[in-house]
Amino acid sequence: QVQLQESGPGLVKPSETLSLSCTVSGVSVSGYYWGWIRQAAGKGPEWIGRLDPSENTYYNPSLKSRVTMSVDTSKNQFSLKVTSVTAADTAIYYCVRDLNVWGPGTQVTVSS
Amino acid sequence: EIVMTQSPATLSVSPGERATVSCRASQSVSSNLAWFQQKPGQAPRLLIFDASARATGIPVRFSGSGSGTEFTLTISSLQSEDFAVYYCQQYNNWPFTFGQGTKLEI
Repeated sequence: QVQLQESGPGLVKPSETLSLSCTVSGVSVSGYYWGWIRQAAGKGPEWIGRLDPSENTYYNPSLKSRVTMSVDTSKNQFSLKVTSVTAADTAIYYCVRDLNVWGPGTQVTVSS
Repeated sequence: EIVMTQSPATLSVSPGERATVSCRASQSVSSNLAWFQQKPGQAPRLLIFDASARATGIPVRFSGSGSGTEFTLTISSLQSEDFAVYYCQQYNNWPFTFGQGTKLEI
């Protein structure tokens, strides 16, 4: 059974970098589509980025210049970095595999 | 980016009744459309993919239809556990985009 778990700081200061990891269990991180989705309070979800099985990355143009995603096969994890954060980046961040496997989500708040 | 518009924003129905949620895409997404259910404090759960295929473990009372720009999610006989927020999402064009959600309330 595939399980995902997000981890990282819950509080980030404005202008700093948000860094999250997603630990994958039950399957190798290689060979699948992985992604990050976020959801601000009371809003619909928003795709941040996606990794394909060849580790090519696809970023939402609304965030593209600030986002980096990568895979660490040695830890069976993939990660997200968002630079120059503002209050608008406050949301629950989910890691996902394809459409059907989601982590429980982690709340990230941007505040000084 | 493709804009997904759901209607209605809120749907008030009684247990046992039928519920229908609509989703319209700003351009064709073929059949690359998914429906999700989200309950408070939980991650969204995939119900339907490819517009009409039920995901593993999803009860038969959930069905999806449509193609191109018009899609529908139907719940044939509402159970108490079905009261939640429902989202459509297209995965035909990057960035994948969600609708704004439909809240199903008693």
